[in-house]
Amino acid sequence: QVQLQESGPGLVKPSETLSLTCTVSGDSVTSDNYYWSWIRQPPGKGLEWIGYIYDIGRTNYHPSLKSRVTISVDTSKNQFSLKLTSVTAADTAVYFCACLMIRGADNWFDPWGQGTLVTVSS
Amino acid sequence: SSELTQDPAVSVALGQTVRITCQGDSLRSYYASWYQQKAGQAPILVIYPKNNRPSGIPDRFSGSSSGNTASLTITGAQAEDEADYYCSSRYNNGNHWLFGGGTKLTVL
Repeated sequence: QVQLQESGPGLVKPSETLSLTCTVSGDSVTSDNYYWSWIRQPPGKGLEWIGYIYDIGRTNYHPSLKSRVTISVDTSKNQFSLKLTSVTAADTAVYFCACLMIRGADNWFDPWGQGTLVTVSS
Repeated sequence: SSELTQDPAVSVALGQTVRITCQGDSLRSYYASWYQQKAGQAPILVIYPKNNRPSGIPDRFSGSSSGNTASLTITGAQAEDEADYYCSSRYNNGNHWLFGGGTKLTVL
């Protein structure tokens, strides 16, 4: 059973780069069973899909974030990571990593990490 | 439309049945999945396509879909079902994923 755990700084300055890591246990990040995903939730608001990495190097990002986002995999540590550049206060959110399952036209996110709050402030 | 629309809030009396809906054009092409999020916690999957329940989710949770609308039904709502519920679907161009704005369920 896959388990996910996010880690990274809880405070990032405006214009800098947000970097988070998701540690995977119970499966390998090289597995093609999952699309390794990031999702965020601003305080008091809804969920927003950020993007995923699949098959080690294939990525897909939300169109509104595509110019600022990079998702990558570290197979030696069984982790995948999120980098978001040029952050502003609007990027303040709880960031979740999750497994996206895609089975033809069917898709769902399960499981999710517990989430980590990142605040953008000087 | 590139959105999934949910009612912001719904209430139900303890033990009664409640339906939470999600509308969007993408639902004509892709089934919705549903997530429960309690305060301060991560979302958990409660319904996945095609209207299936993961292991450990009570059978009072069920899903259905018709046209551009997906529904989550809780038959015999319990106090512990009080939470925010989100639907999700692949966008109808297939390139990214959407979440509804969420429905806050209050069990009276």
